[in-house]
Parts: sequence; structure tokens; C-alpha cells
Amino acid sequence: EPEVTQTPSHQVTQMGQEVILRCVPISNHLYFYWYRQILGQKVEFLVSFYNNEISEKSEIFDDQFSVERPDGSNFTLKIRSTKLEDSAMYFCASKAGRTGAAGELFFGEGSRLTVL
Amino acid sequence: AQTVTQSQPEMSVQEAETVTLSCTYDTSESDYYLFWYKQPPSRQMILVIRQEAYKQQNATENRFSVNFQKAAKSFSLKISDSQLGDAAMYFCAYRGTQGGSEKLVFGKGMKLTVNP
Repeated sequence: EPEVTQTPSHQVTQMGQEVILRCVPISNHLYFYWYRQILGQKVEFLVSFYNNEISEKSEIFDDQFSVERPDGSNFTLKIRSTKLEDSAMYFCASKAGRTGAAGELFFGEGSRLTVL
Repeated sequence: AQTVTQSQPEMSVQEAETVTLSCTYDTSESDYYLFWYKQPPSRQMILVIRQEAYKQQNATENRFSVNFQKAAKSFSLKISDSQLGDAAMYFCAYRGTQGGSEKLVFGKGMKLTVNP
């Protein structure tokens, strides 16, 4: 069964360092998302991406964050200068369409980011 | 802003018994979607069931069914004949339709333990 894959599964970084989290969405999907979950807190929406541009972003997604789909298969989340409060599990998700069965969102297993 | 509340952080159920997970939400929209996601220890969130707000009939998927009370803004999940594989975190989520927003708003989740 096709699935969304994420790498790395766990990354430890120093505060101020740049981090890139990678995701390979399901191949025929057109809508891509990043969510994050700080330990003990709710899963929060970060950004949605469609047709090679950001379609929606939350207030969390400030200038330190960027997303890219560089080669038609990968979907990356970059944090330019990590802060302690960026420590969280980051989930990538994708879906084929907007309605009906195509609108089902598939999540990856997550990338745990620890900022020291 | 929409909010989703799962007031029970943990529940347990005996194998083969029935358990109900509660969820309430707040929104000013009249058309929206509600979801229950399951996150097993492997960390990948999987869609369990979804409900369109305009449908009066409660959604069912095999052993999983919902009790959708639109006026009360309540969306509970009933798991019948609980199995050991049902043990997981369960997240209730909301998605509005106004303004083309695709983001999911999640509750804090609830850990379900299934006792043999």
C-alpha cells in the first residue's frame, strides 16, 4: 500500500542551525501539508502546498520556515535558524484531491526534531 | 477560531467490549468535516472515520461508528468489540469549508488501552 515516507526519523541539532526535513508523498497526490506536535500538545497545522506554491499557512509558519518541492517527488520543510521551541514531531501529509475519497489525508510517521 | 476538545486524556477497555471516545468542537460554520484519526505506536496517523456536517446520518465503518450531534457540537467515536490492535492514540479533528481552508484542527488526543 502506498505511504508517505519521512526522513530523518529523528534529528538532534544545535540552536541556530538549519534543518531540512524531507518527505516523499504518495506519487499521485497533489496536495501537501506539514503539521507539528510539540510533546504533550495538540497537532498543529503549519502549511499547505498545492501547484508549487503555498496555499495556506499558520501563524507558526514564520520567515524561519520554508517549504519546497524541488524535484516533483520530495517535499521539504526547512527551518533556517532553529529555536528551542521548534523541538517537536513534524508530520508530512498528502492527498490526491479535495473531495470524497480523494480528499483523504495520508500522514507520514513523523520526524522528531530535538533542538539543544 | 475553531477549536476541538478531547476532555479524556486516557481510557481503557476490555477486549471485546465497547468504548466511546468523546469530542466536542466549536465553530461558527455550518458546513464542515469531522474526523477521527488513530495513531498506533508506530506513529503514523490513520483515518478511522469521517463525517460530513450536512449529513444527518451517522457514519459507520465496520466496528467504528460516530454519534454526531450537530446542535451540541459533539462528535463521539464508538468502538465495538474492541481488539488489542485498537490500542492507540485517537485524535478528533475538524476541517472547515469557508475560504477554501484545507487545514485540520486537532484535539489533544486520547490514549486508548485495550486490556486482554
